[in-house]
Amino acid sequence: NAGVTQTPKFQVLKTGQSMTLQCAQDMNHEYMSWYRQDPGMGLRLIHYSVGAGITDQGEVPNGYNVSRSTTEDFPLRLLSAAPSQTSVYFCASSLDTANTGELFFGEGSRLTVL
Amino acid sequence: GESVGLHLPTLSVQEGDNSIINCAYSNSASDYFIWYKQESGKGPQFIIDIRSNMDKRQGQRVTVLLNKTVKHLSLQIAATQPGDSAVYFCAETLSNAGGTSYGKLTFGQGTILTVHP
Repeated sequence: NAGVTQTPKFQVLKTGQSMTLQCAQDMNHEYMSWYRQDPGMGLRLIHYSVGAGITDQGEVPNGYNVSRSTTEDFPLRLLSAAPSQTSVYFCASSLDTANTGELFFGEGSRLTVL
Repeated sequence: GESVGLHLPTLSVQEGDNSIINCAYSNSASDYFIWYKQESGKGPQFIIDIRSNMDKRQGQRVTVLLNKTVKHLSLQIAATQPGDSAVYFCAETLSNAGGTSYGKLTFGQGTILTVHP
């Protein structure tokens, strides 16, 4: 059981480049979300999805796009990377039932924008 | 307790001692609270949760206390072990009418726990 799988684990980009962080889960969870974690700070919600075809913005959505074409996959796209997007990105999934504070996180993707 | 800033609060304890990690949450409307543990280089891992209609909940070696009057949450770890060394985050959310949070959590800054053998 792989759980939540994120790729790549590490990436270096130049300002203005685009890329996609991949996230896949094999637990048949309806809810998926992307968080970023900066030094000395907790995780901040970027975008989330409550099911295939449904996405919404979180606390810090600017500069990021998402889509949810299947239950399993929830990619995060950076269209034009900026140094301010240097961070560690975590994808998470959870069940669509009460008491769904138990998010299952991936191992993270560390992104550096030069 | 947690506070805004670049330097995380730290707690150092001896193996076998009890640890208490504090958290001041921000939204008085939040009705569901969770503690996560994050080891170096890994994603956060769920520890324990509590709903706002409770003031205490116990798990295996862990207890969460909730004081809604002062918007304070604490995590108590009994007989702390070196494997408990990690960053601990509290998180809060406001559930919908069905009791779900859609995976939308607001995390605190985190506290670094170091356990010395």
